[in-house]
Amino acid sequence: SAVISQKPSRDICQRGTSLTIQCQVDSQVTMMFWYRQQPGQSLTLIATANQGSEATYESGFVIDKFPISRPNLTFSTLTVSNMSPEDSSIYLCSVERDRNTAEAFFGQGTRLTVV
Amino acid sequence: AQRVTQPEKLLSVFKGAPVELKCNYSYSGSPELFWYVQYSRQRLQLLLRHISRESIKGFTADLNKGETSFHLKKPFAQEEDSAMYYCALSALNTDKLIFGTGTRLQVFP
Repeated sequence: SAVISQKPSRDICQRGTSLTIQCQVDSQVTMMFWYRQQPGQSLTLIATANQGSEATYESGFVIDKFPISRPNLTFSTLTVSNMSPEDSSIYLCSVERDRNTAEAFFGQGTRLTVV
Repeated sequence: AQRVTQPEKLLSVFKGAPVELKCNYSYSGSPELFWYVQYSRQRLQLLLRHISRESIKGFTADLNKGETSFHLKKPFAQEEDSAMYYCALSALNTDKLIFGTGTRLQVFP
């Protein structure tokens, strides 16, 4: 299993500013994923981040708004840029599924409130 | 389009009562189906998956391809089952997950 640490766990930010969320994994993984969970909504995949290549974004998400870094096999960051109140969500980091159990592992999430 | 639907936002039962959390999916191929659970102040974790066909914490889920459903069931609910439950699907051989909106299960003493 993978242990995933996210920082910060929560933050309150002013609109128009940017926040970078960090995700640290205790083992090397090829794929990392960033999800968003808006209030009352399901978890929605923002992008897939592979080390050494550009992140792949899902429909409705763009790099200018959610730039992602993946400098090595254990770390990734997601930046929420030029924030508005609509960006208030929980952001979750996840890694590729365990090959034996197919289980996906998640960070504890970052609760973002934009005021 | 790939979609997971959980029609109930909240399900409240008394301890010892049977529980069924509904999940329907839309997918053109053969997906993998999962149930994830999030207990209070804990991170999201896997409860069970359809391939393993096992019972975890008394919960079972059967994949019904004809009805495109993967309902989660437990014959006798316990207070410690109170949590958010998410149904999810993944295309075979991919790691991306598509989640439903979740059902909050409340089990009263």
